[in-house]
Amino acid sequence: NAGVTQTPKFQVLKTGQSMTLQCAQDMNHNSMYWYRQDPGMGLRLIYYSASEGTTDKGEVPNGYNVSRLNKREFSLRLESAAPSQTSVYFCASSSNLYQETQYFGPGTRLLVL
Amino acid sequence: AQTVTQSQPEMSVQEAETVTLSCTYDTSENNYYLFWYKQPPSRQMILVIRQEAYKQQNATENRFSVNFQKAAKSFSLKISDSQLGDTAMYFCAFIEGSGGSNYKLTFGKGTLLTVNP
Repeated sequence: NAGVTQTPKFQVLKTGQSMTLQCAQDMNHNSMYWYRQDPGMGLRLIYYSASEGTTDKGEVPNGYNVSRLNKREFSLRLESAAPSQTSVYFCASSSNLYQETQYFGPGTRLLVL
Repeated sequence: AQTVTQSQPEMSVQEAETVTLSCTYDTSENNYYLFWYKQPPSRQMILVIRQEAYKQQNATENRFSVNFQKAAKSFSLKISDSQLGDTAMYFCAFIEGSGGSNYKLTFGKGTLLTVNP
């Protein structure tokens, strides 16, 4: 099992460009999440998907959109990147939304110039 | 509102010694879950240990154990026989298990632990 995989591992964008971060899990989990990690801030939830077909905003959703393509895949899109979106992005998944442990991908480091 | 506080931004310990990382949280709920995650230099987030609030017994995973004080809303992590590979950022995290509409797994800001040879 690969667990949670993310692509790309590193990306540089110019302000205003768009891109999609991809995430996939092979653990048959129902719930998936996108976080961003900034220095001194811990992890903050951007969006989550409790189950296939549903998505909800987290703590910091502005400037992002998500798609739960199927049970395995959950993508994060930046329509018009801004320097404030420079961060490390983590995807995670869990069996269900609340009690279950979340398993994290390796992260995507994004630099917006 | 949920908050998680890790009051020690950095700590260091000698190899083979014991170290305790502190975490406090705030909630008005009675049903919740607490986690410690480890993030080594590779950036991978790895679950260290998990505690259900309804369980009085402290969770233990090999060299890692917690001291869960529900009344004090405290959830400290003890690492025994510290190893060089334990060098990492450690995050305390908290989630309410009530199933409310506003889901949120809240992370503390982390404690950077360095194990010295």
